[in-house]
Amino acid sequence: AQSVTQLDSQVPVFEEAPVELRCNYSSSVSVYLFWYVQYPNQGLQLLLKYLSGSTLVKGINGFEAEFNKSQTSFHLRKPSVHISDTAEYFCAVSDRENNFNKFYFGSGTKLNVKP
Amino acid sequence: DAGITQSPRHKVTETGTPVTLRCHQTENHRYMYWYRQDPGHGLRLIHYSYGVKDTDKGEVSDGYSVSRSKTEDFLLTLESATSSQTSVYFCAISENGGIDTQYFGPGTRLTVL
Repeated sequence: AQSVTQLDSQVPVFEEAPVELRCNYSSSVSVYLFWYVQYPNQGLQLLLKYLSGSTLVKGINGFEAEFNKSQTSFHLRKPSVHISDTAEYFCAVSDRENNFNKFYFGSGTKLNVKP
Repeated sequence: DAGITQSPRHKVTETGTPVTLRCHQTENHRYMYWYRQDPGHGLRLIHYSYGVKDTDKGEVSDGYSVSRSKTEDFLLTLESATSSQTSVYFCAISENGGIDTQYFGPGTRLTVL
């Protein structure tokens, strides 16, 4: 089974500053990688995903992530955050087990954007 | 937004009582999932379905059962609720299984007293 690690449970940052949210996963031959965002009292929404191809993936709301196979990482970045980016962010890995792709989620990182 | 509804949205129940949560989709997606979300644990897979009457266990399936008699409905049952099952439960759907995006419902907050 996969394990997904989000080392930072909370990240405070000032508005318009850059931010990086870290995600590492267990090694595997091939995985699919996702970042989801959860606003208070809502379900999860997809920010971006890596299935194959370019290791730099661009998503919605100005977010991007870079897949690094050698470091088994998929860190999320945004060059300039807004107050509205305050939310919890989850990294997820899809890995194949018994001919089925299962999703494994990290424990989440709460991004708190301050004015 | 993907057409996923969950009912009820909130429920308070007592230890030992049975509870059924419903997930309904209008997207005709083949795959459906039940997760629980707890602080510090992210989302953990309880059960999933890869077709009508085809289900399998996830990583935290003890104390839960599921049924899928129609493509659009996926039921999660707690046969005898315990306080450790107090959580927020999310349903998700996917068209192509784990190689594609999962779309999430709004969640059900369950409190077991």
